[in-house]
Amino acid sequence: GNSVTQMEGPVTLSEEAFLTINCTYTATGYPSLFWYVQYPGEGLQLLLKATKADDKGSNKGFEATYRKETTSFHLEKGSVQVSDSAVYFCALDNQAGTALIFGKGTTLSVSS
Amino acid sequence: DTAVSQTPKYLVTQMGNDKSIKCEQNLGHDTMYWYKQDSKKFLKIMFSYNNKELIINETVPNRFSPKSPDKAHLNLHINSLELGDSAVYFCASRPTRTNEKLFFGSGTQLSVL
Repeated sequence: GNSVTQMEGPVTLSEEAFLTINCTYTATGYPSLFWYVQYPGEGLQLLLKATKADDKGSNKGFEATYRKETTSFHLEKGSVQVSDSAVYFCALDNQAGTALIFGKGTTLSVSS
Repeated sequence: DTAVSQTPKYLVTQMGNDKSIKCEQNLGHDTMYWYKQDSKKFLKIMFSYNNKELIINETVPNRFSPKSPDKAHLNLHINSLELGDSAVYFCASRPTRTNEKLFFGSGTQLSVL
């Protein structure tokens, strides 16, 4: 079946540090891939997405590239801010395209 | 003008009670979902409706019953609440087309005492 594996958190960084959150997936076919962000007390918001191999999604300084050969969609940001502190979820569309399957989430904490 | 709205935001109740959570979306989407988020932030799909028709029903106890009176509403009724039902429940919606993003409500924090 389809599944998503994310690196365990929490990830603790200082402001302006480089961020990588690893995400790998298992799926048949070519699912669309997503990163969602959840700020404290809120629902999830789409951060970026990619719909085919080698696509790069980007938003707010974050980016991720759909790598079919390594079945990965790692999230990166060159310089994190305190306001980036949140929980980040990698997700894929299931085979039927009827639901998003989420990874377990990675908590990011950025200190000044 | 909230796109996906859930009520109530907080729900505290005793074991054995029956409770409902309501969800409405004003985006004109055809597909709506309920997700459960546990204390470790893990998100699990529970149900999905497309144009009022149930299309996903994951392994969820039958104490949980979704109801979709129209395509803009998807309510979740829970009978005989148990301690393990304590979680945050999120409603979400999106157009039927695949590859489209989900729009999430702000969640309902359910605490069963």
